[in-house]
Amino acid sequence: AQSVTQLDSHVSVSEGTPVLLRCNYSSSYSPSLFWYVQHPNKGLQLLLKYTSAATLVKGINGFEAEFKKSETSFHLTKPSAHMSDAAEYFCVVRLVSGTYKYIFGTGTRLKVLA
Amino acid sequence: KAGVTQTPRYLIKTRGQQVTLSCSPISGHRSVSWYQQTPGQGLQFLFEYFSETQRNKGNFPGRFSGRQFSNSRSEMNVSTLELGDSALYLCASRTGTGGFGANVLTFGAGSRLTVL
Repeated sequence: AQSVTQLDSHVSVSEGTPVLLRCNYSSSYSPSLFWYVQHPNKGLQLLLKYTSAATLVKGINGFEAEFKKSETSFHLTKPSAHMSDAAEYFCVVRLVSGTYKYIFGTGTRLKVLA
Repeated sequence: KAGVTQTPRYLIKTRGQQVTLSCSPISGHRSVSWYQQTPGQGLQFLFEYFSETQRNKGNFPGRFSGRQFSNSRSEMNVSTLELGDSALYLCASRTGTGGFGANVLTFGAGSRLTVL
């Protein structure tokens, strides 16, 4: 069975410091993995996706994520947090073939302190 | 290119009523999925439609239904509303066929339903 676990429900960082949002997945097949961001009262916006090409994926707004098969992880990072990064972040897994369902993590709320 | 459009954005209903939400996908996208988002349960998959056919369904009661029209626009309906149906309902579209964007979901801003 596939699943995705976001290890932290809340993360607080100071502006200008690095961001690390952790995600572990479980999948019997080679997965497609995504990170989405949701600002208050908005829909979800795609940050980046992994689909078995390069293991280090660069996204929008300076975010990137590294796919580590041995650790079944897909952590999201950013070198320097900005106040506008405060939002909720979702890690999502989908099988490359077969089911069309997307499995969402429970979300990590990022707080950026001035 | 216009994004995914959901209407209405906000609505208030009372228990026992029914509600219909609409979603217009990105032009050329044939797949539309619906999700329910609540603070307690997070994001839960409702169903997916592709070319007017329901392709997948989540674990929701039969009060939740949907359909897709020939122009790919989709509606979801909730009958006999309960307090627990209060949520943000999100629609997402994707091409649904081969190609780079085939498995990338693009979300609308959502319809926030409050049931009193």
